[in-house]
Amino acid sequence: GDSVTQMEGPVTLSEEAFLTINCTYTATGYPSLFWYVQYPGEGLQLLLKATKADDKGSNKGFEATYRKETTSFHLEKGSVQVSDSAVYFCALTSNQAGTALIFGKGTTLSVSS
Amino acid sequence: AAGVIQSPRHLIKEKRETATLKCYPIPRHDTVYWYQQGPGQDPQFLISFYEKMQSDKGSIPDRFSAQQFSDYHSELNMSSLELGDSALYFCASSPLDTGNTIYFGEGSWLTVV
Repeated sequence: GDSVTQMEGPVTLSEEAFLTINCTYTATGYPSLFWYVQYPGEGLQLLLKATKADDKGSNKGFEATYRKETTSFHLEKGSVQVSDSAVYFCALTSNQAGTALIFGKGTTLSVSS
Repeated sequence: AAGVIQSPRHLIKEKRETATLKCYPIPRHDTVYWYQQGPGQDPQFLISFYEKMQSDKGSIPDRFSAQQFSDYHSELNMSSLELGDSALYFCASSPLDTGNTIYFGEGSWLTVV
C-alpha cells in the first residue's frame, strides 16, 4: 500500500542554518503531497502542498518540490528561526474523495539561538 | 476564516466509561476524517465520511463508532475505554475541489484514568 518515509530526527540546528528534511513516498497513481507542522501542544497545521509532478509548494520560507522521478518531496528552508521548532509531518493522499492522509513518522526540529 | 471545530478540547474519563467527541467541519466541506495521535506518534487514521456515508476505514477499534449527520458534523463514540485510548483525537475536513487538501482541528485530548 501507499506509504511515506521521513528522515528520523531529532534535527538540531542553530538559528539561520539551512534546513532539509527528507521525505520519500510509495504510491500508486498520482498522489497529492503535503507537509504539516505541529507546534508543541498544538494541532496539525498545513504548511504547504503540491498536487502534481514538478509542482513546488511554498509557505513561510519553506519549500518542497514534487519529484516524481525520485518519489520525493523534501522540505527545505534557507534560514531557520527558533520559532520553527516543531514536529514536521510529510503526508500523501490520493485524489479520491474521502481518502485519508497517510503520514510519515514525523521529524522533530529544534532550533537554538 | 472558519476552521474545523472540535469539542470538548479536553476530556478525562475512567476505564470502561464512554466518551463522545464532536466535530464541526469547515463550511461546505463534505468529507470528515478522524485521527488518533498517541504521545510522540504520528497521527493514525481511524475513519472517514463523505456525504454522510462511511468512505474509508483505518485502524478504528470495534469499541469505537462514528457517524456524520445531515448538517455534516460528526461524532466519534468510544466505549469501554482503556488506558491505551489516552491520546489526542483530531478531526479534519476537506472539500472535493482543492486537490483533496485536508484541514485539521485543534484536537481533543482524551485522558483515561
